[in-house]
Amino acid sequence: GAVVSQHPSWVICKSGTSVKIECRSLDFQATTMFWYRQFPKQSLMLMATSNEGSKATYEQGVEKDKFLINHASLTLSTLTVTSAHPEDSSFYICSATRQDTGELFFGEGSRLTVL
Amino acid sequence: GNSVTQMEGPVTLSEEAFLTINCTYTATGYPSLFWYVQYPGEGLQLLLKATKADDKGSNKGFEATYRKETTSFHLEKGSVQVSDSAVYFCALRVRQAGTALIFGKGTTLSVSS
Repeated sequence: GAVVSQHPSWVICKSGTSVKIECRSLDFQATTMFWYRQFPKQSLMLMATSNEGSKATYEQGVEKDKFLINHASLTLSTLTVTSAHPEDSSFYICSATRQDTGELFFGEGSRLTVL
Repeated sequence: GNSVTQMEGPVTLSEEAFLTINCTYTATGYPSLFWYVQYPGEGLQLLLKATKADDKGSNKGFEATYRKETTSFHLEKGSVQVSDSAVYFCALRVRQAGTALIFGKGTTLSVSS
């Protein structure tokens, strides 16, 4: 089946640093990728929708300058958490829409811990 | 707007018990409905789905029927196992290209032997 890979799967960083998380569709082209954030014991909150070659669309309340999203190709989207702070610690999950079928596939998530 | 409401957990059952996790939705039009499962320390996995009214999705002994009249998509399993312990998410997706899934809050299931 289709595979979406996230990297890194976990990262620990110091407050004030920036962290980049990659989301790749390994065996299909993805027209649209989505970034979610999951707090402990809570649901997935949609952060932004990313289309290849265009600016991401952010959900209300999500700071676009804080969470930079780049969708440079049909197989790669990146989320950069800029100047991370402890409150940014969370589980970040991406999903990708397969271009030919419209199906959604999820990455395994990236756990960010900001000290 | 579009939203999903799940029964709150945690749900604690003994092995071989019957499971029901309620899910209702609000949506414009007729969405596709999904159940995802998240095992401890892992990512989301699609468990089953239904794309139109009266469709029944099934997988690994789990079933859910798309009920338009009650706007529901309840998850059921006749006999749970310890290995079913996980968080279960109900979700919907409106039928437009490039739209994201909207998730319920998740229900934690704990099965003991």
